[in-house]
Amino acid sequence: NFMLTQPHSVSESPGKTVTISCTRSSGSIASNYVQWYQQRPGSSPTTVIYEDNQRPSGVPDRFSGSIDSSSNSASLTISGLKTEDEADYYCQSYDSSNHWVFGGGTKLTVL
Amino acid sequence: EVQLVQSGAEVKKPGESLKISCKGSGYSFTSYWIGWVRQMPGKGLEWMGIIYPGDSDTRYSPSFQGQVTISADKSISTAYLQWSSLKASDTAMYYCVRRGGIDYWGQGTLVTVSS
Repeated sequence: NFMLTQPHSVSESPGKTVTISCTRSSGSIASNYVQWYQQRPGSSPTTVIYEDNQRPSGVPDRFSGSIDSSSNSASLTISGLKTEDEADYYCQSYDSSNHWVFGGGTKLTVL
Repeated sequence: EVQLVQSGAEVKKPGESLKISCKGSGYSFTSYWIGWVRQMPGKGLEWMGIIYPGDSDTRYSPSFQGQVTISADKSISTAYLQWSSLKASDTAMYYCVRRGGIDYWGQGTLVTVSS
């Protein structure tokens, strides 16, 4: 099976843009959809990006997702950072047997 | 509105059995996979397994195969996660997740196993 690797933590100032990467260890990043989840302290995760780059209604358009086959990675970009964006972010994908794989999570600090 | 409502927090002793639940509403329960995810204190998300309530097709993560049982009762739109003999290391928050396009998460069930 493959692994998804994320940076342990990132930090940026309010109003700036931050990108969180998610690198697939084997197999093509494009072969299965990637989802991104936001988990604020003490809350359950919620979906901020699904199917690589789709945004659920209610998620601000400051959030965007993409995949890059050259680096075999997915990215979550948050622009115009707000303090409320401070959370843990997880990427997730599937293998051919419908088994889920999660990245280790990235702690975003907005300072 | 899609909702997944999980059963309440549990405190158990090592060796006891437990079954927690996840009731889906606002969508066709038999048409979407439901997964279970473990989050140990201060740690990340771990996928445990998944079930398709329409035909009860069930898949397990190798890490959890044989350790838990996932089931569903489509007549009451409810999925279950159960243990036959809990260990202290099972102490965690457990989430159910409806997979399909947008993934919807339950509110979580905290399981504490302590003597």
